[in-house]
Amino acid sequence: LAKTTQPISMDSYEGQEVNITCSHNNIATNDYITWYQQFPSQGPRFIIQGYKTKVTNEVASLFIPADRKSSTLSLPRVSLSDTAVYYCLVVKRGFQKLVFGTGTRLLVSP
Amino acid sequence: DGGITQSPKYLFRKEGQNVTLSCEQNLNHDAMYWYRQDPGQGLRLIYYSQIVNDFQKGDIAEGYSVSREKKESFPLTVTSAQKNPTAFYLCASSPPTGDIQYFGAGTRLSVL
Repeated sequence: LAKTTQPISMDSYEGQEVNITCSHNNIATNDYITWYQQFPSQGPRFIIQGYKTKVTNEVASLFIPADRKSSTLSLPRVSLSDTAVYYCLVVKRGFQKLVFGTGTRLLVSP
Repeated sequence: DGGITQSPKYLFRKEGQNVTLSCEQNLNHDAMYWYRQDPGQGLRLIYYSQIVNDFQKGDIAEGYSVSREKKESFPLTVTSAQKNPTAFYLCASSPPTGDIQYFGAGTRLSVL
């Protein structure tokens, strides 16, 4: 599976839009981009997955350019409760061992 | 409610003691996983099981053991051979598509 690179940490304020970019230069044709969110002392939670262009759900949007070598997780109007670690993973269909790096630690302040 | 239940939430181990962490799922998933997370770090795979009565070592299996006698259950034993067991342990399962894993709330293990 392709290795991913994302910022170690980001700071934001309540009400702002937060964009977290993930680099995955070696992504394969059959790979998908998946993001998880982890609050302190809890297990990671799947938030969004995409293959190309744009995917939106009630939590976030995921933007993937045509070359798919990077992706951006967008969190609209963050609140204090969005303070968490966000993991970007490249996955394929079928059984696999996921690789969770250190993620991006997002701190939202009042 | 469908999901993954880990117990206990907190666990303390004495020197030389084996302890077992419970993981139960009612999602009807075949695959189950155990991860270890140290402070400020990502998740590291300990063991995984794709089907009942079968399991494989992950990246850091030494000092740990598992069993998979039922589809719903995948207990992890931290043996006395694991010299640095203090960590946050996470259990997960995945459907046949395999691309998304669902996690439990975790067990925090400390050494007395």
